[in-house]
Amino acid sequence: DQQVKQNSPSLSVQEGRISILNCDYTNSMFDYFLWYKKYPAEGPTFLISISSIKDKNEDGRFTVFLNKSAKHLSLHIVPSQPGDSAVYFCAARYQGGKLIFGQGTELSVKP
Amino acid sequence: NAGVTQTPKFQVLKTGQSMTLQCAQDMNHNSMYWYRQDPGMGLRLIYYSASEGTTDKGEVPNGYNVSRLNKREFSLRLESAAPSQTSVYFCASSDWGLAPKNNEQFFGPGTRLTVL
Repeated sequence: DQQVKQNSPSLSVQEGRISILNCDYTNSMFDYFLWYKKYPAEGPTFLISISSIKDKNEDGRFTVFLNKSAKHLSLHIVPSQPGDSAVYFCAARYQGGKLIFGQGTELSVKP
Repeated sequence: NAGVTQTPKFQVLKTGQSMTLQCAQDMNHNSMYWYRQDPGMGLRLIYYSASEGTTDKGEVPNGYNVSRLNKREFSLRLESAAPSQTSVYFCASSDWGLAPKNNEQFFGPGTRLTVL
């Protein structure tokens, strides 16, 4: 039973355009949601997070939106750059610190 | 600071062999985690240690054991490796706290394990 789902395995966008990565979850008890970025042969690195009591959090080119009624969150990257090409994982926090990860979406930003 | 380090980077085992994956962190974090990453499955928690001296099962603990040797080190042992344990293994650490930054997990570079 996948509690956190990223239904798009891959996404390709042009440099300078917006990238939108989506994530759905089923458990209303999650209290924080996080996005991690992963380059090949490296471990994931933290990108941005949002509390379940907020609907938007922004950090530079990265904005995360949370729609609690739909149990859906999205990561917007504007403008997209070739260096953003990586696998992006969404994760949901439960039980005081453990994370459940989605399957990941591979983003390719083409020059 | 090296952050989270893992050894070895690569390993090939035969079915039934045993091995221990090592992990160390130098950030003075209380909590440490072991994940496996498989294609199409994301990262799944194998075991975690909320603090020195404690360990608990995650989503997929079968076939693994762990030891929290001290605050810095958390090892993962495969007693009798099986082909289904072919995966990339990541160790992570985090501090305590309720703010999201305090629950940010820092990951090591991973160990790529193949079981033949």
